[in-house]
Amino acid sequence: DGGITQSPKYLFRKEGQNVTLSCEQNLNHDAMYWYRQDPGQGLRLIYYSQIVNDFQKGDIAEGYSVSREKKESFPLTVTSAQKNPTAFYLCATGQPSRGANVLTFGAGSRLTVL
Amino acid sequence: GQNIDQPTEMTATEGAIVQINCTYQTSGFNGLFWYQQHAGEAPTFLSYNVLDGLEEKGRFSSFLSRSKGYCYLLLKELQMKDSASYLCAVIRSNDYKLSFGAGTTVTVRA
Repeated sequence: DGGITQSPKYLFRKEGQNVTLSCEQNLNHDAMYWYRQDPGQGLRLIYYSQIVNDFQKGDIAEGYSVSREKKESFPLTVTSAQKNPTAFYLCATGQPSRGANVLTFGAGSRLTVL
Repeated sequence: GQNIDQPTEMTATEGAIVQINCTYQTSGFNGLFWYQQHAGEAPTFLSYNVLDGLEEKGRFSSFLSRSKGYCYLLLKELQMKDSASYLCAVIRSNDYKLSFGAGTTVTVRA
């Protein structure tokens, strides 16, 4: 089946630790996105990538890092510099060249800092 | 930047109609999306408007006025399963950056 796989679904982290959230897609989409969702605040864009080996900061990139070494993969690292990392993280893919660029979302990863 | 405003909550009765309004300010507008998100789940695509007017898709319709920076999502014949958060999102033409509003939580009551 074509889709987006995010792992892990739930993750607990101690303060001061870096964690990496995985996002893998087999939709053959060029663009990939990471959003963070907090209660009452909707989705906020962290990083996005329109092509392999290239990515841009979104609205809240501080304390996060990404890489795009393969078209299928766009991992997000939450570093210890992120002061309030507890949130629901959503990965999405899209195909801007096809006009509407409807995003498809993964099931999400819920990170809790203890 | 982009400012997207929509109401926080709405409540309606099963079988009724609800209209969720959304206003936006953006540079290089290239389309407006509506997504539905049930609690704890990923958002799913509902509709896309790039030209002015009404787009109808079954019980759901979406309207756009680009000159006013205004859109709405109309949900008809409400069902209990329509209880969810509805997200308005705007995409820019220069970088395809998609920005979301905070979402409107719709509660359908029997």
